[in-house]
Amino acid sequence: QQPVQSPQAVILREGEDAVINCSSSKALYSVHWYRQKHGEAPVFLMILLKGGEQKGHEKISASFNEKKQQSSLYLTASQLSYSGTYFCGTAPVQDASKLTFGTGTRLQVTL
Amino acid sequence: DARVTQTPRHKVTEMGQEVTMRCQPILGHNTVFWYRQTMMQGLELLAYFRNRAPLDDSGMPKDRFSAEMPDATLATLKIQPSEPRDSAVYFCASTPNGPSYSTDTQYFGPGTRLTVL
Repeated sequence: QQPVQSPQAVILREGEDAVINCSSSKALYSVHWYRQKHGEAPVFLMILLKGGEQKGHEKISASFNEKKQQSSLYLTASQLSYSGTYFCGTAPVQDASKLTFGTGTRLQVTL
Repeated sequence: DARVTQTPRHKVTEMGQEVTMRCQPILGHNTVFWYRQTMMQGLELLAYFRNRAPLDDSGMPKDRFSAEMPDATLATLKIQPSEPRDSAVYFCASTPNGPSYSTDTQYFGPGTRLTVL
Protein backbone atom coordinates (compact mmCIF):
# COMPACT_ATOMS: atom_id res chain seq x y z
CA GLN A 1 0.00 0.00 0.00
CA GLN A 2 1.29 3.42 -0.99
CA PRO A 3 2.39 5.83 1.72
CA VAL A 4 0.26 8.98 1.87
CA GLN A 5 1.92 12.31 1.30
CA SER A 6 0.59 15.72 2.28
CA PRO A 7 0.11 18.30 1.05
CA GLN A 8 -0.35 17.29 -2.58
CA ALA A 9 0.96 20.63 -3.75
CA VAL A 10 2.37 23.79 -2.24
CA ILE A 11 3.45 27.15 -3.60
CA LEU A 12 6.05 29.16 -1.73
CA ARG A 13 7.79 32.43 -2.13
CA GLU A 14 11.56 32.28 -2.09
CA GLY A 15 12.81 32.28 1.49
CA GLU A 16 9.72 30.69 3.01
CA ASP A 17 9.69 27.34 4.80
CA ALA A 18 7.72 24.20 3.99
CA VAL A 19 6.98 20.83 5.55
CA ILE A 20 6.05 17.72 3.59
CA ASN A 21 4.62 14.75 5.42
CA CYS A 22 4.68 11.05 4.62
CA SER A 23 2.55 8.53 6.47
CA SER A 24 2.43 4.75 6.23
CA SER A 25 0.01 2.16 7.57
CA LYS A 26 2.84 -0.36 7.95
CA ALA A 27 5.63 -0.61 10.48
CA LEU A 28 8.61 0.93 8.70
CA TYR A 29 12.26 0.02 8.56
CA SER A 30 13.35 3.06 6.58
CA VAL A 31 12.09 6.13 4.76
CA HIS A 32 13.78 7.54 1.66
CA TRP A 33 13.24 11.04 0.25
CA TYR A 34 13.72 11.96 -3.40
CA ARG A 35 13.16 15.07 -5.48
CA GLN A 36 12.19 14.97 -9.14
CA LYS A 37 12.21 17.91 -11.51
CA HIS A 38 9.93 17.91 -14.53
CA GLY A 39 11.18 15.56 -17.23
CA GLU A 40 14.08 14.35 -15.12
CA ALA A 41 14.88 11.35 -12.95
CA PRO A 42 14.30 11.30 -9.19
CA VAL A 43 17.33 12.42 -7.22
CA PHE A 44 18.15 11.05 -3.79
CA LEU A 45 17.95 13.44 -0.83
CA MET A 46 18.28 11.28 2.28
CA ILE A 47 17.46 8.02 4.06
CA LEU A 48 16.15 7.69 7.60
CA LEU A 49 16.22 4.42 9.49
CA LYS A 50 13.88 3.34 12.25
CA GLY A 51 15.03 4.71 15.56
CA GLY A 52 13.53 8.16 15.10
CA GLU A 53 16.61 9.80 13.69
CA GLN A 54 16.74 13.17 12.07
CA LYS A 55 18.99 14.05 9.19
CA GLY A 56 19.91 17.20 7.41
CA HIS A 57 21.29 18.23 4.07
CA GLU A 58 22.08 21.94 3.81
CA LYS A 59 18.70 23.59 4.39
CA ILE A 60 16.70 20.42 3.92
CA SER A 61 16.20 18.11 6.87
CA ALA A 62 13.91 15.25 7.77
CA SER A 63 12.63 13.35 10.76
CA PHE A 64 11.19 9.88 11.24
CA ASN A 65 8.67 9.12 13.95
CA GLU A 66 8.82 5.36 14.30
CA LYS A 67 5.81 5.14 16.62
CA LYS A 68 3.55 6.97 14.20
CA GLN A 69 5.19 5.54 11.05
CA GLN A 70 5.49 9.07 9.78
CA SER A 71 8.28 11.09 8.28
CA SER A 72 8.47 14.79 7.60
CA LEU A 73 10.72 16.70 5.23
CA TYR A 74 11.59 20.26 6.23
CA LEU A 75 12.67 22.81 3.66
CA THR A 76 14.07 25.96 5.24
CA ALA A 77 14.50 29.29 3.47
CA SER A 78 13.39 27.79 0.19
CA GLN A 79 15.24 28.55 -3.02
CA LEU A 80 14.01 28.52 -6.60
CA SER A 81 16.04 25.34 -7.13
CA TYR A 82 13.87 23.52 -4.58
CA SER A 83 10.97 23.44 -7.02
CA GLY A 84 9.98 19.95 -8.09
CA THR A 85 8.02 16.94 -6.91
CA TYR A 86 9.08 15.33 -3.66
CA PHE A 87 8.57 11.62 -3.11
CA CYS A 88 8.92 9.56 0.00
CA GLY A 89 9.72 5.89 -0.38
CA THR A 90 9.03 3.53 2.48
CA ALA A 91 10.47 0.12 3.27
CA PRO A 92 8.35 -1.93 5.71
CA VAL A 93 9.81 -3.97 8.56
CA GLN A 94 8.19 -7.14 7.21
CA ASP A 95 9.97 -6.75 3.88
CA ALA A 96 12.80 -4.25 4.22
CA SER A 97 13.93 -5.00 0.68
CA LYS A 98 10.88 -3.39 -0.96
CA LEU A 99 10.54 0.34 -1.48
CA THR A 100 7.07 1.79 -2.10
CA PHE A 101 6.83 5.41 -3.21
CA GLY A 102 4.15 7.92 -2.24
CA THR A 103 2.16 9.88 -4.80
CA GLY A 104 4.38 12.91 -4.46
CA THR A 105 4.14 16.53 -3.33
CA ARG A 106 4.53 19.19 -5.98
CA LEU A 107 6.48 22.15 -4.67
CA GLN A 108 6.78 25.43 -6.54
CA VAL A 109 8.99 28.23 -5.32
CA THR A 110 8.38 31.66 -6.81
CA LEU A 111 10.14 35.00 -6.59
CA ASP B 1 30.74 11.46 -13.03
CA ALA B 2 29.28 7.95 -12.92
CA ARG B 3 25.67 7.70 -14.07
CA VAL B 4 23.04 5.13 -14.87
CA THR B 5 22.33 5.17 -18.60
CA GLN B 6 19.16 4.06 -20.34
CA THR B 7 18.31 3.50 -23.98
CA PRO B 8 16.27 4.48 -25.83
CA ARG B 9 15.24 7.74 -24.19
CA HIS B 10 12.01 7.83 -26.16
CA LYS B 11 10.08 5.08 -27.89
CA VAL B 12 6.85 5.29 -29.85
CA THR B 13 5.41 2.01 -31.02
CA GLU B 14 2.16 0.44 -32.08
CA MET B 15 0.09 -1.89 -29.98
CA GLY B 16 1.25 -5.48 -30.27
CA GLN B 17 4.87 -4.66 -31.01
CA GLU B 18 7.77 -5.84 -28.87
CA VAL B 19 9.62 -3.22 -26.87
CA THR B 20 13.05 -3.65 -25.31
CA MET B 21 14.51 -1.13 -22.90
CA ARG B 22 18.12 -1.25 -21.77
CA CYS B 23 19.91 -0.03 -18.69
CA GLN B 24 23.58 0.22 -17.84
CA PRO B 25 24.01 0.51 -14.07
CA ILE B 26 26.86 2.44 -12.48
CA LEU B 27 30.02 0.36 -12.63
CA GLY B 28 30.38 -1.62 -9.42
CA HIS B 29 26.74 -1.35 -8.39
CA ASN B 30 25.33 -4.79 -7.74
CA THR B 31 21.62 -4.07 -7.34
CA VAL B 32 19.41 -2.91 -10.20
CA PHE B 33 15.78 -1.84 -10.08
CA TRP B 34 13.13 -1.24 -12.73
CA TYR B 35 10.37 1.28 -12.02
CA ARG B 36 7.41 2.52 -14.01
CA GLN B 37 6.03 6.02 -13.53
CA THR B 38 2.59 7.21 -14.61
CA MET B 39 0.43 10.12 -13.54
CA MET B 40 -2.20 7.79 -12.14
CA GLN B 41 -0.06 5.23 -10.31
CA GLY B 42 3.04 7.23 -9.55
CA LEU B 43 6.36 5.41 -9.22
CA GLU B 44 5.94 1.64 -9.07
CA LEU B 45 8.62 -0.98 -8.51
CA LEU B 46 8.45 -3.60 -11.24
CA ALA B 47 11.45 -5.82 -10.46
CA TYR B 48 14.92 -5.83 -9.04
CA PHE B 49 18.13 -7.83 -9.29
CA ARG B 50 21.08 -8.34 -7.02
CA ASN B 51 24.31 -9.69 -8.43
CA ARG B 52 22.35 -10.34 -11.64
CA ALA B 53 19.88 -12.67 -9.91
CA PRO B 54 16.20 -11.65 -9.91
CA LEU B 55 15.03 -11.09 -6.34
CA ASP B 56 11.53 -9.78 -6.85
CA ASP B 57 9.38 -9.25 -9.90
CA SER B 58 6.01 -9.24 -8.19
CA GLY B 59 5.24 -5.75 -9.46
CA MET B 60 5.53 -6.82 -13.07
CA PRO B 61 2.69 -8.11 -15.28
CA LYS B 62 3.99 -11.62 -15.84
CA ASP B 63 2.21 -12.39 -19.07
CA ARG B 64 3.83 -9.65 -21.13
CA PHE B 65 6.79 -8.25 -19.20
CA SER B 66 10.18 -9.83 -18.66
CA ALA B 67 13.36 -8.53 -17.08
CA GLU B 68 16.87 -9.93 -17.32
CA MET B 69 20.48 -9.11 -16.56
CA PRO B 70 22.60 -10.81 -19.23
CA ASP B 71 25.72 -9.43 -17.53
CA ALA B 72 26.71 -7.04 -14.76
CA THR B 73 26.69 -4.05 -17.10
CA LEU B 74 23.33 -4.58 -18.77
CA ALA B 75 19.76 -4.93 -17.58
CA THR B 76 16.86 -5.30 -19.99
CA LEU B 77 13.10 -4.89 -19.67
CA LYS B 78 11.01 -6.34 -22.44
CA ILE B 79 7.32 -5.95 -23.19
CA GLN B 80 5.72 -8.36 -25.64
CA PRO B 81 3.13 -7.61 -26.85
CA SER B 82 2.87 -3.96 -25.87
CA GLU B 83 -0.47 -2.31 -25.07
CA PRO B 84 -1.51 1.36 -24.81
CA ARG B 85 -1.79 1.03 -21.02
CA ASP B 86 1.97 0.34 -20.93
CA SER B 87 2.62 3.96 -21.92
CA ALA B 88 4.74 5.41 -19.12
CA VAL B 89 8.25 6.45 -18.19
CA TYR B 90 10.39 3.47 -17.24
CA PHE B 91 13.27 4.15 -14.88
CA CYS B 92 16.21 2.01 -14.04
CA ALA B 93 18.09 2.60 -10.77
CA SER B 94 21.16 1.04 -9.23
CA THR B 95 22.71 0.89 -5.79
CA PRO B 96 26.23 0.11 -4.67
CA ASN B 97 27.22 -3.04 -2.85
CA GLY B 98 25.71 -2.28 0.55
CA PRO B 99 24.56 -4.44 3.47
CA SER B 100 20.92 -4.28 2.48
CA TYR B 101 18.70 -2.90 -0.17
CA SER B 102 16.76 -0.72 2.20
CA THR B 103 19.66 1.43 3.33
CA ASP B 104 21.33 2.07 -0.02
CA THR B 105 20.98 5.23 -2.07
CA GLN B 106 19.29 4.56 -5.38
CA TYR B 107 20.74 6.30 -8.42
CA PHE B 108 18.16 6.71 -11.15
CA GLY B 109 18.75 6.73 -14.86
CA PRO B 110 17.13 9.36 -17.12
CA GLY B 111 14.27 7.04 -18.03
CA THR B 112 12.71 5.72 -21.22
CA ARG B 113 9.47 7.45 -22.21
CA LEU B 114 7.32 4.81 -23.89
CA THR B 115 4.23 5.61 -25.92
CA VAL B 116 2.15 2.74 -27.25
CA LEU B 117 -0.39 3.78 -29.87
